[in-house]
Amino acid sequence: QSVLTQPASVSGSPGQSITISCTGTSSDIGRFDHVSWFQQHPGKAPQLMLFDVGNRPSGVSNRFSGSKSGNTASLTISGLQADDEADYYCSSYTTSGPYVFGTGTTVTVL
Amino acid sequence: QVQLVQSGAEVKQPGASVKVSCKASGYIFTNNYMHWVRQAPGQGLEWVGLVSPSGDGTRYAQKFQGRVTMTRDTSRSIDYMEVTSLTSDDTAVYYCVRDSQSGWFSPDYWGQGTLVTVSS
Repeated sequence: QSVLTQPASVSGSPGQSITISCTGTSSDIGRFDHVSWFQQHPGKAPQLMLFDVGNRPSGVSNRFSGSKSGNTASLTISGLQADDEADYYCSSYTTSGPYVFGTGTTVTVL
Repeated sequence: QVQLVQSGAEVKQPGASVKVSCKASGYIFTNNYMHWVRQAPGQGLEWVGLVSPSGDGTRYAQKFQGRVTMTRDTSRSIDYMEVTSLTSDDTAVYYCVRDSQSGWFSPDYWGQGTLVTVSS
C-alpha cells in the first residue's frame, strides 16, 4: 500500500502564502474527492484542518484552503503565522486502503 | 464533553501481542466510526484500521491484515485494538480517533495515545 508523496519541508515568512502538495495516483487522489489534511504540533495529537478536499471543520481558520488537480492535492496557508509552524499530513481514500497518509511536510515560519 | 481515554503504555517482547483499549464518553458511542492511527517515534502517521459504529464491521490497512483485530464493546463504550506477532517496527504511539462523519475521514477527537514499545 503506497503512501502519498509530500515535500519534506516548506518555509515562508509571516504574512506570505505557502502551498503543500500531496501526490498520489489514479487509485486514490485521482479517483476520489476524499482528501483530508492534518496539522500536528510537536508532542501533540494531529488536528483535522480540511476534509473532502476543501471543507473546513468548524473552528479552523479560513486561511487554510484546499484544492485538487488530477492525482495531486494541495493545501494552501495564506497569511502565514508563527503558530502555523508544524507538521502537515494529507490523507486520501484509496481503492486498496481504504485510507492512506502522506509522508508529511514540516512547515517553517522564517 | 467528548473524551477518548486510552489504556497505558505497554512494553512487549518481539512475537508477543498487545491489546489497547479506548474508552469513549460524552456522546452516543454507536453513532460514530472509530479509526486507529499509529505514529512511530519521529515518523509520520499511519492509518491502521477502523470499526463501524455498531461494531459489526471492520476495515484494516493491507499491511496489517491478519495481524490486527479491532473490536467494540458497545455496552461499555470501549474500543479495542489487538496487534499480534509484534516486531520492533510496531513500536509506536497508537491513537484511537473518532470520526465526526462530516465527510470522509473527518476525525474530530483523538485519544491521548498509547505508546507500545517492542523490545527484547
